[in-house]
Amino acid sequence: SQTIHQWPATLVQPVGSPLSLECTVEGTSNPNLYWYRQAAGRGLQLLFYSVGIGQISSEVPQNLSASRPQDRQFILSSKKLLLSDSGFYLCAWAGLGGWTGELFFGEGSRLTVL
Amino acid sequence: AQTVTQSQPEMSVQEAETVTLSCTYDTSESDYYLFWYKQPPSRQMILVIRQEAYKQQNATENRFSVNFQKAAKSFSLKISDSQLGDAAMYFCAYTGTASKLTFGTGTRLQVTL
Repeated sequence: SQTIHQWPATLVQPVGSPLSLECTVEGTSNPNLYWYRQAAGRGLQLLFYSVGIGQISSEVPQNLSASRPQDRQFILSSKKLLLSDSGFYLCAWAGLGGWTGELFFGEGSRLTVL
Repeated sequence: AQTVTQSQPEMSVQEAETVTLSCTYDTSESDYYLFWYKQPPSRQMILVIRQEAYKQQNATENRFSVNFQKAAKSFSLKISDSQLGDAAMYFCAYTGTASKLTFGTGTRLQVTL
């Protein structure tokens, strides 16, 4: 069966520090991968998605970047965090058999920037 | 661009009663899917129900059903016989030809005794 792992679960970082959130999927190959952010009181905002190694689509201009160095690994990064980067970050992968819209989510990473 | 709107930030229902969560969307695409996702306090998002736009019949999953009104671009979720475990954030979501989901802002559902 397929599983998705996301870490760290919780992170407290000072303004201006770097960030690296990692997501790994097991039990599948060539999945679509996604990073969403959920800010307090707001919905889920799509940040990046990837349909293959090295292929990254950015949805909104921001202080973050994403990379996919391996087929089942998706990394969210920042060189210098801003207060507005605080939020709950969710990684997700798309199911097998072509795009049907169903996403499987990780347990999330809560980032607090102080 | 596609948008999804959930106009009810919070809803409350008594245990065993029925509640309906509203969702509207805007799109120019003719072929798409609509979803309701649930995010319990443990935070892991899970799929509740899915509706294909080409299907006229409303989707049903046990106590969960939808009212899909394509012309009105409306997609509401009905939860029957509400249970304490139904308490969560509920997100309406849309996908069309692009391989991505667009979510609404969510509705927080409280279930009271």
